[in-house]
Amino acid sequence: NAGVTQTPKFQVLKTGQSMTLQCAQDMNHNSMYWYRQDPGMGLRLIYYSASEGTTDKGEVPNGYNVSRLNKREFSLRLESAAPSQTSVYFCASSDTGRAADTQYFGPGTRLTVL
Amino acid sequence: GESVGLHLPTLSVQEGDNSIINCAYSNSASDYFIWYKQESGKGPQFIIDIRSNMDKRQGQRVTVLLNKTVKHLSLQIAATQPGDSAVYFCAETPSGNTPLVFGKGTRLSVIA
Repeated sequence: NAGVTQTPKFQVLKTGQSMTLQCAQDMNHNSMYWYRQDPGMGLRLIYYSASEGTTDKGEVPNGYNVSRLNKREFSLRLESAAPSQTSVYFCASSDTGRAADTQYFGPGTRLTVL
Repeated sequence: GESVGLHLPTLSVQEGDNSIINCAYSNSASDYFIWYKQESGKGPQFIIDIRSNMDKRQGQRVTVLLNKTVKHLSLQIAATQPGDSAVYFCAETPSGNTPLVFGKGTRLSVIA
């Protein structure tokens, strides 16, 4: 099993450009999450999907959209990238929607917005 | 990654010694706590968890202590090894249906 995979690993964008970060899990998990990680800030939740067909905002949703394409895939879209969105983005999944379930993280996407 | 943790508190420990990493939380309603380990260039990895009805839980070489009176959580690593070098995060949630809130992390550096 690959666990949680993310593409791309690295990306450089210019301000105003758009892009979609892809995430897939092969553990048959119901819940998926997108976090961003900035220096000294820990992980902050952007959006999550407790189950297929549902999505909810997290702590820092502004400037992002998500799509739970199917049970395996959860994408994060930046419609008009800004330098403040320079960060490392992590996708995670867990068995159920309960926060107490262990979350399994992908390797991350390092995004730089110039 | 290299840019993560530039401003994190750092704990340096001699190989073979015990490490204690601390975490303060602010929400007295938090019911569930987790420690994650993040190695350079990788995503966080679950280490151990504890519920608020417990004050201590042990795993393999790790122990988590919870002091609800002062809202403090600690992770103890016995016989610290070079492979333990990483950033450690605590996370909390007031209920099973509320997303986790992560702390800012502590970098553990093991001196061989």
